[in-house]
Amino acid sequence: KNQVEQSPQSLIILEGKNCTLQCNYTVSPFSNLRWYKQDTGRGPVSLTIMTFSENTKSNGRYTATLDADTKQSSLHITASQLSDSASYICVVYSSASKIIFGSGTRLSIRP
Amino acid sequence: EPEVTQTPSHQVTQMGQEVILRCVPISNHLYFYWYRQILGQKVEFLVSFYNNEISEKSEIFDDQFSVERPDGSNFTLKIRSTKLEDSAMYFCASSGSGGASQFFGPGTRLTVL
Repeated sequence: KNQVEQSPQSLIILEGKNCTLQCNYTVSPFSNLRWYKQDTGRGPVSLTIMTFSENTKSNGRYTATLDADTKQSSLHITASQLSDSASYICVVYSSASKIIFGSGTRLSIRP
Repeated sequence: EPEVTQTPSHQVTQMGQEVILRCVPISNHLYFYWYRQILGQKVEFLVSFYNNEISEKSEIFDDQFSVERPDGSNFTLKIRSTKLEDSAMYFCASSGSGGASQFFGPGTRLTVL
């Protein structure tokens, strides 16, 4: 069954600290994996897109990794800011009709 | 910066009524999508649209749903006879190519009473 599992479900960290969010998937065939940031009540915003051959990709303070062998991805956030408080969603694209969203990790940054 | 816009931001309707959700994608984008997110649940893919026709659709996108690009700018999602379980946030997205980043709109919150 095509699934995307994210952990932790929620996370609270202090401003300035780093954190890593995890994503495991069983989607096949695999096309690409994307991380999105979704603020409450808003549409998701794309952070990174990774294809099968890419191991790591950075976007400012966000760094995503992909291990296609173990079907795992992570999103690392460095020097967190209050504005990083949001849900982070891992999405795996198999085809245009197989777009599987994870449940997201709700990240809260405390001052 | 160009953005996807959606109207209305909130739509309340009676069960059995038809609703049309409207989206204006980014002007030079060619691929268009609708997603929905039931409160507290995952975002779910509904349909993708390219070259004036549906390219892919999910199991959710049954005969109750239809999409249209009536002119060069709008992209609409119609729900023919709404059900209580259609209550959700509906997101429109667009991209310049099939594999490129999708830009999401702010969503329309549909409430079916």
